[in-house]
Amino acid sequence: DAGVIQSPRHEVTEMGQEVTLRCKPISGHDYLFWYRQTMMRGLELLIYFNNNVPIDDSGMPEDRFSAKMPNASFSTLKIQPSEPRDSAVYFCASRAGTGFNSPLHFGNGTRLTVT
Amino acid sequence: GQNIDQPTEMTATEGAIVQINCTYQTSGFNGLFWYQQHAGEAPTFLSYNVLDGLEEKGRFSSFLSRSKGYSYLLLKELQMKDSASYLCAVRDGSDDYKLSFGAGTTVTVRA
Repeated sequence: DAGVIQSPRHEVTEMGQEVTLRCKPISGHDYLFWYRQTMMRGLELLIYFNNNVPIDDSGMPEDRFSAKMPNASFSTLKIQPSEPRDSAVYFCASRAGTGFNSPLHFGNGTRLTVT
Repeated sequence: GQNIDQPTEMTATEGAIVQINCTYQTSGFNGLFWYQQHAGEAPTFLSYNVLDGLEEKGRFSSFLSRSKGYSYLLLKELQMKDSASYLCAVRDGSDDYKLSFGAGTTVTVRA
């Protein structure tokens, strides 16, 4: 079990540029979550998918953010255009659908810096 | 929505016991999780409580009181490697698959 895999680990970009973060969930997990973590706001849920379908995107900050899950093994989070306030660590997590006690398994995160 | 409160920081000595409290106010409740996060790393799952009482897992135990909206994580026989942030997370009763996280408690273990 390779765990949740995210890429890149670090991303530094200039304001106005497009940023794409990638995630491969654990095989067999049918829920995928994107979280953002900052010192000020902690871990915030942005969006989650079930069986590749977006279920709740109420945490997406604004239209500059979009997420897709074209298949069960891949998801992207895109920011266009990026702004300095988007600087944060973005985590992808997945979980198996069975049981309320099924925990989230997090990837190692992408540290995004927008200058 | 959720309101989840934890202390910001705690310091303890190697070999000692530390108790991290978490209080929550929710419109519904379907379980509480504790996660450990070392600096620069991903959160990792520690424990899950949905019924009142104590769940023990080795050096770590977690307690829940649903009527009081209260949980604690107890770390015994502290080791230096236990220095980390500990996150309390509540499963929203209105959406069983969403987890809302507290801000985390940074525990520093000193020799």
